[in-house]
Amino acid sequence: DTAVSQTPKYLVTQMGNDKSIKCEQNLGHDTMYWYKQDSKKFLKIMFSYNNKELIINETVPNRFSPKSPDKAHLNLHINSLELGDSAVYFCASSQGTGDYRMNTEAFFGQGTRLTVV
Amino acid sequence: AQTVTQSQPEMSVQEAETVTLSCTYDTSENNYYLFWYKQPPSRQMILVIRQEAYKQQNATENRFSVNFQKAAKSFSLKISDSQLGDTAMYFCAFMKRTGGGSQGNLIFGKGTKLSVKP
Repeated sequence: DTAVSQTPKYLVTQMGNDKSIKCEQNLGHDTMYWYKQDSKKFLKIMFSYNNKELIINETVPNRFSPKSPDKAHLNLHINSLELGDSAVYFCASSQGTGDYRMNTEAFFGQGTRLTVV
Repeated sequence: AQTVTQSQPEMSVQEAETVTLSCTYDTSENNYYLFWYKQPPSRQMILVIRQEAYKQQNATENRFSVNFQKAAKSFSLKISDSQLGDTAMYFCAFMKRTGGGSQGNLIFGKGTKLSVKP
């Protein structure tokens, strides 16, 4: 029943490793996002995809690569993990329509707490 | 670029009382949306309330209401009859309206940590 689900919820890994976080939404939304929440709780957009196409790519290191195999999935792969990558990563989705009066809220996954040691 | 400012890092309120959380934003856009999200200790981001900029009427959702002042670029959240379960981080967020079928991303404030005391 979960609308936006991320796996894993917790991820502890060593510096230099490569890891992936998976995200799936069953809401039929066209747009999906990755947000990063740092240790001070600040949330910032990383990527946004609309119908499998990348539409937002903030100043995120190349070590981060999103992949959207279909519009219901948006995975995040991180290469060569660094200590500074430790954070909570949120996946979200929303429905875009041509009518701006339609529902526009973003639904969030439960977050993945990544700890790099 | 849009910015969102929450000037109160922490607030506390007694159970059953009313509290107002402040939010201001800066934008040159005319069409946009504003949101308040709640993040309890469980970490889940939960939408509390939404306001469309083209609507003059303030949004309300049960005990939650906003005071939207478009000219002043202010969007405060009022929580009435505060309950212990309202204890959480509260984030104000801005999203500009985009054309066609795509959605813009959320720009968040730094959050206000609200504690409801028994």
